[in-house]
Amino acid sequence: DVKVTQSSRYLVKRTGEKVFLECVQDMDHENMFWYRQDPGLGLRLIYFSYDVKMKEKGDIPEGYSVSREKKERFSLILESASTNQTSMYLCASSFWDRDGTQYFGPGTRLTVL
Amino acid sequence: GENVEQHPSTLSVQEGDSAVIKCTYSDSASNYFPWYKQELGKGPQLIIDIRSNVGEKKDQRIAVTLNKTAKHFSLHITETQPEDSAVYFCAASRGNTPLVFGKGTRLSVIA
Repeated sequence: DVKVTQSSRYLVKRTGEKVFLECVQDMDHENMFWYRQDPGLGLRLIYFSYDVKMKEKGDIPEGYSVSREKKERFSLILESASTNQTSMYLCASSFWDRDGTQYFGPGTRLTVL
Repeated sequence: GENVEQHPSTLSVQEGDSAVIKCTYSDSASNYFPWYKQELGKGPQLIIDIRSNVGEKKDQRIAVTLNKTAKHFSLHITETQPEDSAVYFCAASRGNTPLVFGKGTRLSVIA
């Protein structure tokens, strides 16, 4: 089975802190994605990556950055956390040359106080 | 870019009845349409998908239909059970582009 893991299920941080959310997949997927999920807004794409060292902005990249130093790992970074970044963060991965099916991790619920 | 609209946002059905969730998309070049189910405390999981070269696909109690001309696709769940209660998301993409998701439908199956 495809396994996408996220470093934390729940995280509480203070305004202004630097926050790292880690995602690891074990299926040798080329593509990895970060979404945030908010009630009534669905899943919104923050950043994605098609390969190591590569990154592309999604629909809402402001306030976030990413890092992909290894194929299996994709990190989301909040340089200076703000209260409006309180949300559920979901990581996903997929193959490059196949059907686009994305596999999701369990999510990290981040609260910024 | 692609825009996906999903309706209804909430749906309550009696156990054993059918449930239908509808989505429309804007990009005629989209060719892949998956449906995800998200249970409480979990990430979304793929339950069924359809490509633009077919009009319907079934998997036991779940079916998806696609109308390319009208640019809409639907999820049909028959003989609903309490474990079908979840949030369902539709999505669309063209080839190897990121999925664009609808805003979700919260389905409640009442026993």
